[in-house]
Amino acid sequence: GAVVSQHPSRVICKSGTSVKIECRSLDFQATTMFWYRQFPKQSLMLMATSNEGSKATYEQGVEKDKFLINHASLTLSTLTVTSAHPEDSSFYICSARPPTGQGSHFTGELFFGEGSRLTVL
Amino acid sequence: QQQVKQSPQSLIVQKGGISIINCAYENTAFDYFPWYQQFPGKGPALLIAIRPDVSEKKEGRFTISFNKSAKQFSLHIMDSQPGDSATYFCAASRRGTNAGKSTFGDGTTLTVKP
Repeated sequence: GAVVSQHPSRVICKSGTSVKIECRSLDFQATTMFWYRQFPKQSLMLMATSNEGSKATYEQGVEKDKFLINHASLTLSTLTVTSAHPEDSSFYICSARPPTGQGSHFTGELFFGEGSRLTVL
Repeated sequence: QQQVKQSPQSLIVQKGGISIINCAYENTAFDYFPWYQQFPGKGPALLIAIRPDVSEKKEGRFTISFNKSAKQFSLHIMDSQPGDSATYFCAASRRGTNAGKSTFGDGTTLTVKP
């Protein structure tokens, strides 16, 4: 299946610093990627939809100035947690959606990255 | 408002048994229903998915049963193995401009005992 690479897998930072997480689709061009946050033993909470070449669409309650998303190319989206605090510690996951209308790819299927564990001290 | 309700929250099954996880949705506009498997510390991976024009889909030991009128779908894992121990999420999404913007269930932690 398609591969989505997420980096770093783990990051520890001091409170007040910024952390960037990368999400790359390795074998297809993803015009749309999604960023999620997952707390222990909980479901995925959609944070924002990242669209290549345009501004991200944030879900209600997600601070866009806190969680900066950049989708500069068809294979890369980044999530920057700015001025991180301990409450931002979480598991962040991205997913990418293959292009629609191409071959057997159908709308709806998502490929997830491996996740990034952020710990803010 | 939770649009996809998943049950049970946790499930313990003996090796070789059948694991059944259920989901119910509310939005009739949903037209794609995947199940994802997630191991600790990893991202989810697509296990199997179904569209509402069929009532059942089987891939190996994994089967989705879909009841459109009841707005319910379930995952059956036959001959459950310890390696199946993971958290399973059902999801639902729509085609069109929101394609891929899935709504997830709360997850079911499956433990298969040897």
